[in-house]
Amino acid sequence: DIQMTQSPASLSASLGETVSIECLASEDIYSNLAWYQQKPGKSPQLLIYYASSLQDGVPSRFSGSESGTQYSLEINSLQPEDEGDYFCQQSYKFPYTFGAGTKLELK
Amino acid sequence: QVTLKESGPGMLQPSKTLSLTCSFSGFSLSTSGMVVSWIRQPSGKSLEWLAAIDWDGDKYYNPSLKSRLTVSKDTSNTQVFLKITSVDIADTATYYCARRPWSGSPFDYWGQGVMVTVSS
Repeated sequence: DIQMTQSPASLSASLGETVSIECLASEDIYSNLAWYQQKPGKSPQLLIYYASSLQDGVPSRFSGSESGTQYSLEINSLQPEDEGDYFCQQSYKFPYTFGAGTKLELK
Repeated sequence: QVTLKESGPGMLQPSKTLSLTCSFSGFSLSTSGMVVSWIRQPSGKSLEWLAAIDWDGDKYYNPSLKSRLTVSKDTSNTQVFLKITSVDIADTATYYCARRPWSGSPFDYWGQGVMVTVSS
């Protein structure tokens, strides 16, 4: 199975700040990496797919990038509604695997 | 409009078989590349992919649970089912079904999830 190592487990930031979340794949997943946001009691919502493509309707302050097997989600100009949990997922091959998640809190 | 909705027993006893249904609309599971997957999430934890069935009827399972899982679909291609045998407390989780529209794509639509508690 492909392991997805996500960091940090949690972070706290202020309104307007920029934060970054990382995911390291245990092998090459050829950009088949998605990022999801999850609010309490809700299902995950797709933010980014193919490492850097923005899902329709997602604000442009969200962006994704990659460097080798390292993938990053950046959120610019943090807004109150950005609080929540964030997960990466490799969609390259079965079994699909997710990162452990990052809890983002606003100060 | 794409929608998926999970249904299940809510609570069941250890050693029983868990049966879940994913009812969906707004897309066709017979479209080439389409997959419906089952994913679960224990409270406060990350997501675990369980199983999938594709447009051609091929089935895929998480190797760690494969011996206990059976995924299937109905002949009208509007429902996907998951059975988990010999459940125990560790199977307590919210279970989601989600759509993957083509190979390599992410899960672009998810159901609201159904909470399942295994307890004696």
